[in-house]
Amino acid sequence: SAVISQKPSRDICQRGTSLTIQCQVDSQVTMMFWYRQQPGQSLTLIATANQGSEATYESGFVIDKFPISRPNLTFSTLTVSNMSPEDSSIYLCSVEDLPGEQFFGPGTRLTVL
Amino acid sequence: GEDVEQSLFLSVREGDSSVINCTYTDSSSTYLYWYKQEPGAGLQLLTYIFSNMDMKQDQRLTVLLNKKDKHLSLRIADTQTGDSAIYFCAEPSMDTGRRALTFGSGTRLQVQP
Repeated sequence: SAVISQKPSRDICQRGTSLTIQCQVDSQVTMMFWYRQQPGQSLTLIATANQGSEATYESGFVIDKFPISRPNLTFSTLTVSNMSPEDSSIYLCSVEDLPGEQFFGPGTRLTVL
Repeated sequence: GEDVEQSLFLSVREGDSSVINCTYTDSSSTYLYWYKQEPGAGLQLLTYIFSNMDMKQDQRLTVLLNKKDKHLSLRIADTQTGDSAIYFCAEPSMDTGRRALTFGSGTRLQVQP
């Protein structure tokens, strides 16, 4: 199974600042996904990141707020821009390794003051 | 869009069996998933079932799939205190060409000694 790491594992940020979260996979994958898990809630898909093309965002998420990079087949970043307390969440990346096997990174716990 | 539904809470005694239920919406889903999230941790892929199967067993875990009723269940035999966690069922999201996942609300399993 794919091994996924995320950096940072957690952070506390001030309102109005931005944070870039990194996701690294130990194998080449076509598609990577970014999810958000708000406190006490389930997971919501933010966007799909494909290498060599712009990310595809879900309803309610926009590129200006959550810019995504996908420079190669093992790495992606998600930036949370101009943060507010409502952005406090766990942010997770995931990949589809073999068909049917979707694995998640450990998550980045973000607190915005 | 899809709507994956789960009951929110289940309490069992150690040694008993736990059954967590889920209903999903997309009758053409190829795979259906169960994830486990322990407090403060990321998402662990527990098991998944291919849609042409009715049952899948993996050690203490048994997954039952009723395609007619779009009902998925996860049975944990001989439940241990270490099984206390939130369990999410998930199906591939039609909106992403069935690549990303739509999650249920999660069922919090509490195992009492």
